Amino acid sequence: DTGVSQDPRHKITKRGQNVTFRCDPISEHNRLYWYRQTLGQGPEFLTYFQNEAQLEKSRLLSDRFSAERPKGSFSTLEIQRTEQGDSAMYLCASSQINYGYTFGSGTRLTVV
Amino acid sequence: DAKTTQPPSMDCAEGRAANLPCNHSTISGNEYVYWYRQIHSQGPQYIIHGLKNNETNEMASLIITEDRKSSTLILPHATLRDTAVYYCIVRFDITSGSRLTFGEGTQLTVNP
Repeated sequence: DTGVSQDPRHKITKRGQNVTFRCDPISEHNRLYWYRQTLGQGPEFLTYFQNEAQLEKSRLLSDRFSAERPKGSFSTLEIQRTEQGDSAMYLCASSQINYGYTFGSGTRLTVV
Repeated sequence: DAKTTQPPSMDCAEGRAANLPCNHSTISGNEYVYWYRQIHSQGPQYIIHGLKNNETNEMASLIITEDRKSSTLILPHATLRDTAVYYCIVRFDITSGSRLTFGEGTQLTVNP
């Protein structure tokens, strides 16, 4: 297990379409996070899971966004009815208690 | 989490030490100082963290002032591969599952 994997690396979609991203965390990590990053800005927190429970959601996570971690392993982030403002890098990270985060390389979403 | 202030950009000559400052004047007694960096098109990478004492690892050294209101990340012999955005973050103890709050960071450019 070499790190946090995200798929796809790049996604181009038309406005109004739905998209889903996947994150596979480091296997022994029980915490999983989603962040969003726009150009020139630092990453912004979206949501956090401990095992399969979603424990915290940012106000940035509108009702068009939904995240799941059904078996406490991989996670998916779905965006419904995409808008141009959703264009960003979506980053996933995982951690185990007493250790720092490990981030994936992100999924770059472009909404056209 | 306490707010941090960093210069937007810095330059450093290859082989020289890079000293990246961070102000966190509102830090509370049980908040840690974390440093992450983000190389272009990759996710943030953990560098080092500390509470009160200076810390050193294979990547960098962290110097925290006695009053804990500021800190400096030191890359002792910067290489071209150290060119990245460096983020200073303060947060409660590392067992917390809470978010990382990123600012805009410092763009470090290492020049040949």
